Amino acid sequence: DTEVTQTPKHLVMGMTNKKSLKCEQHMGHRAMYWYKQKAKKPPELMFVYSYEKLSINESVPSRFSPECPNSSLLNLHLHALQPEDSALYLCASSLTAGGAQETQYFGPGTRLLVL
Amino acid sequence: QKEVEQDPGPLSVPEGAIVSLNCTYSNSAFQYFMWYRQYSRKGPELLMYTYSSGNKEDGRFTAQVDKSSKYISLFIRDSQPSDSATYLCAMSARDRGSTLGRLYFGRGTQLTVWP
Repeated sequence: DTEVTQTPKHLVMGMTNKKSLKCEQHMGHRAMYWYKQKAKKPPELMFVYSYEKLSINESVPSRFSPECPNSSLLNLHLHALQPEDSALYLCASSLTAGGAQETQYFGPGTRLLVL
Repeated sequence: QKEVEQDPGPLSVPEGAIVSLNCTYSNSAFQYFMWYRQYSRKGPELLMYTYSSGNKEDGRFTAQVDKSSKYISLFIRDSQPSDSATYLCAMSARDRGSTLGRLYFGRGTQLTVWP
């Protein structure tokens, strides 16, 4: 089973709201990723967690706050977002983040609209 | 110049045609090469994963890597309307001075197979 699940599938929020995106995998992977994807563009890396520790933050604004409560779960907390943050947010996981060979498996994404 | 170049298309072919999708790259550090298929408004799905130069076949799909030319291809035989999607090439390498690997994506090629 190579399944990564994400909830919710769709989210509409105002600029003053606080919301959270959730991601879960049960493949025993120890690396998890958040990506942002705009229409007709490739995914852009936001954060990497390796063994539940934040390893890469691609200079993402602080209105995005990641959290990795355990090795199977990854959250992305959203606060005071801007309309330009509207996008498909993808979670991915891989066995580890320690080697270039690790294949990443993506979830279906959460489509976010900020009004 | 981007590290991974991919013609965004769109590419439109009749059912049963052989489809050829290509990416070029400039970074010799890329070691692993992947093709992802992404249906509209869904997450990327891993199709093929290769390491060495040469061909790898899986059903109707063949991935080809030529490291000397820094060129990778994906061939789809007997294309079907269900193959209509965006195809993203991706390559992985370790960050300089880091033990962490990351993916570098092409822009994606939008493919339509019409009946």
